[in-house]
Amino acid sequence: NAGVTQTPKFRILKIGQSMTLQCTQDMNHNYMYWYRQDPGMGLKLIYYSVGAGITDKGEVPNGYNVSRSTTEDFPLRLELAAPSQTSVYFCASLAGTRSYEQYFGPGTRLTVT
Amino acid sequence: EDQVTQSPEALRLQEGESSSLNCSYTVSGLRGLFWYRQDPGKGPEFLFTLYSAGEEKEKERLKATLTKKESFLHITAPKPEDSATYLCAVQAGRNSGGSNYKLTFGKGTLLTVNP
Repeated sequence: NAGVTQTPKFRILKIGQSMTLQCTQDMNHNYMYWYRQDPGMGLKLIYYSVGAGITDKGEVPNGYNVSRSTTEDFPLRLELAAPSQTSVYFCASLAGTRSYEQYFGPGTRLTVT
Repeated sequence: EDQVTQSPEALRLQEGESSSLNCSYTVSGLRGLFWYRQDPGKGPEFLFTLYSAGEEKEKERLKATLTKKESFLHITAPKPEDSATYLCAVQAGRNSGGSNYKLTFGKGTLLTVNP
């Protein structure tokens, strides 16, 4: 039982490039979340999903897209990367039945130059 | 809009010197208040969930308490391995649009325990 896994761990992008951050959970959780964490700013919600095929915007969705074709996977897509997207990205999942805590992956550190 | 404020931003303790971290919150109907620990370069690690005022949870040297406006994380006789950033988050209740179980996080308290 690996929990929440994220790839890659680190990535450097040039301005205007695109990439997909991968997130997979093996706990059969219905709910999944993407956050970004900037120094001194706390965790901000980008997008979330309440189940396969259902996604919605969080607090800071601009410049990002998501999809949820399976229960296990919740990839985050960056189109036309900008320096403002330099951050650490965390994926989390939650069961939603009898327990409401979110479990986090190890993060992806992204630098856009 | 849900808000979470943590204080202090940073706290430096000597080993064995007990103290408390504060988390003040405003939320439209609280479902739960969550404490996480985050080590450098890692994802947040779940510590506690508190659901109602007066509730307390303990784990080793940590004890979390909850009132209607704030939560405290008490650290008793800390050790250097307790050094980390401690994050507080709130989750709105079902009647406040909380069916998606979203969390609103504070900015965290960086705790350093010196030997």
